[in-house]
Amino acid sequence: AQKITQTQPGMFVQEKEAVTLDCTYDTSDPSYGLFWYKQPSSGEMIFLIYQGSYDQQNATEGRYSLNFQKARKSANLVISASQLGDSAMYFCAMRERFTGTASKLTFGTGTRLQVTL
Amino acid sequence: SAVISQKPSRDICQRGTSLTIQCQVDSQVTMMFWYRQQPGQSLTLIATANQGSEATYESGFVIDKFPISRPNLTFSTLTVSNMSPEDSSIYLCSVANPGQNNEKLFFGSGTQLSVL
Repeated sequence: AQKITQTQPGMFVQEKEAVTLDCTYDTSDPSYGLFWYKQPSSGEMIFLIYQGSYDQQNATEGRYSLNFQKARKSANLVISASQLGDSAMYFCAMRERFTGTASKLTFGTGTRLQVTL
Repeated sequence: SAVISQKPSRDICQRGTSLTIQCQVDSQVTMMFWYRQQPGQSLTLIATANQGSEATYESGFVIDKFPISRPNLTFSTLTVSNMSPEDSSIYLCSVANPGQNNEKLFFGSGTQLSVL
């Protein structure tokens, strides 16, 4: 079974509008972390936002917010006031357990976001 | 956040040759990882680079093909050996510091490798 599922291979949004990128996850580990990364065409991976499984509030970082619904195992990324520079691939990722000796991320397949005028 | 420099940023290589990718961090980090992103695909962890000991490889990746060094807490290399066109990918270095903003794993700018 897929650990991280991103069902939207591509999305379009008009400039200045808000957009939600979907992410669902599957884990039996009570302690996990969820990440969103942005990958522009240059290839670098840019950290956007993090949500811990025990965090009481939804994470926010500037124009990015994470709609964390634990019971539904979803962690959707909301980008407000979209800008042309937001056009990129967006990856959702999960870290299931941090042991101090091994911590790895499992990535979804990504959503390509295109911001239009 | 840590500043991570990766070199080279891109390369075109001949089949059968090897390429070593360097990852330099501007501060000491506990954990360093190497990921691969094949064209149009998501990221897959190759291995965890351990300082002073052999790297820990994920299923499907072996040391003979992807030897890794980590001589200190700020530097690591990944070698892609005996390359074939199937090795054409983006290779990314990632770092984390447990207990110090450990929620955030940062990535280098990546190395885009094309094998002819």
